[in-house]
Amino acid sequence: DAMVIQNPRYQVTQFGKPVTLSCSQTLNHNVMYWYQQKSSQAPKLLFHYYDKDFNNEADTPDNFQSRRPNTSFCFLDIRSPGLGDAAMYLCATQGIAGVTGELFFGEGSRLTVL
Amino acid sequence: AQRVTQPEKLLSVFKGAPVELKCNYSYSGSPELFWYVQYSRQRLQLLLRHISRESIKGFTADLNKGETSFHLKKPFAQEEDSAMYYCALIKAAGNKLTFGGGTRVLVKP
Repeated sequence: DAMVIQNPRYQVTQFGKPVTLSCSQTLNHNVMYWYQQKSSQAPKLLFHYYDKDFNNEADTPDNFQSRRPNTSFCFLDIRSPGLGDAAMYLCATQGIAGVTGELFFGEGSRLTVL
Repeated sequence: AQRVTQPEKLLSVFKGAPVELKCNYSYSGSPELFWYVQYSRQRLQLLLRHISRESIKGFTADLNKGETSFHLKKPFAQEEDSAMYYCALIKAAGNKLTFGGGTRVLVKP
């Protein structure tokens, strides 16, 4: 059973039209991450939540926002998508208990901007 | 800041041949190192981690702190090993996972 679920799997939006991507987890993990992965590139961290504490990467554009209303859910909001924001967006979770730093990834949401 | 380098973008080998994916990192502390794999149309998933010292699907990786390397090896590649492989580093749980640029492995029959 999938433990990190992202919706929608595919999202098409118009230039400048806001979009929200969602991520839910059944692992009860403390940490949730949002990565952006462009074609043939490594995932790039946008931000992450450690419980309710929000941690933004220094080079993440203001156009990207996130919400975590509870442990299970995390949202990525793109306020005014540009053509350069077309990418796969990956959600991942991590439990801080134990010695491992393993991240569990969702299948991703592919965003197309027209 | 930590950095992970994978010098090879693409590795093409024949089935049954050995394969080695190089990974070098820069970090002044003692990080935790991973190899993640992404098969076609599947989610990114953990292959192995250095603290486990295990062999997964025939792959092993040894952390060499002197050379700051964490190369991934398999003595006999199989066609199902064709995938994208990412070396990754994390300082501690709750911190970000930093990925290398990735190496695409193509195993030819």
